[in-house]
Amino acid sequence: GDSVTQTEGLVTVTEGLPVMLNCTYQTAYSDVAFFWYVQYLNEAPKLLLRSSTDNKRTEHQGFHATLHKSSSSFHLQKSSVQLSDSALYYCALSNMGYKLTFGTGTSLLVDP
Amino acid sequence: EAAVTQSPRSKVAVTGGKVTLSCHQTNNHDYMYWYRQDTGHGLRLIHYSYVADSTEKGDIPDGYKASRPSQENFSLILELASLSQTAVYFCASSDRLGGDEQYFGPGTRLTVL
Repeated sequence: GDSVTQTEGLVTVTEGLPVMLNCTYQTAYSDVAFFWYVQYLNEAPKLLLRSSTDNKRTEHQGFHATLHKSSSSFHLQKSSVQLSDSALYYCALSNMGYKLTFGTGTSLLVDP
Repeated sequence: EAAVTQSPRSKVAVTGGKVTLSCHQTNNHDYMYWYRQDTGHGLRLIHYSYVADSTEKGDIPDGYKASRPSQENFSLILELASLSQTAVYFCASSDRLGGDEQYFGPGTRLTVL
């Protein structure tokens, strides 16, 4: 079956510095979409980014990600993090247009 | 904006007792889902439904039942609650045709003692 791997459980970054959250995946399907969801403390997860196009950069709220099918990756990046970016970030993939498979999540902690 | 509500928001249950978690959406979405969230495991799909009166097993259905009596409502039932079912449970909905984005409810924190 499908799987999504997020190797970092916690990433700590100083405010103003760049960050990259890693996401790799395995799937046997070709018609697949990829997502980043963000969950702030005591809130529901919500969509941050979505992509299904290989080698195309997708941006939202200062974050960006590029799907690289050659390396099975969809890393999330930001050039300058803010304190308000502290949250739990989930990478996910969807085949058949509806069922999501999530990674285990990466907590991003931004220090002042 | 899409709206998914859950009740109760938190619950304490006894081992062996029955627990019902409820979810209501006003998005007119066909798809509804139940996930559990655990540290180190992320979000895992328990059951989902794409039409009223029908449910499908997700990735971790053991110990859980689901019910979809109408398009708007989707319940998760723990017939015999166990300690291992202590977790935060999220309901979500999505549009059949639209995009794959799922809209999540606020979550229910379940503690089984």
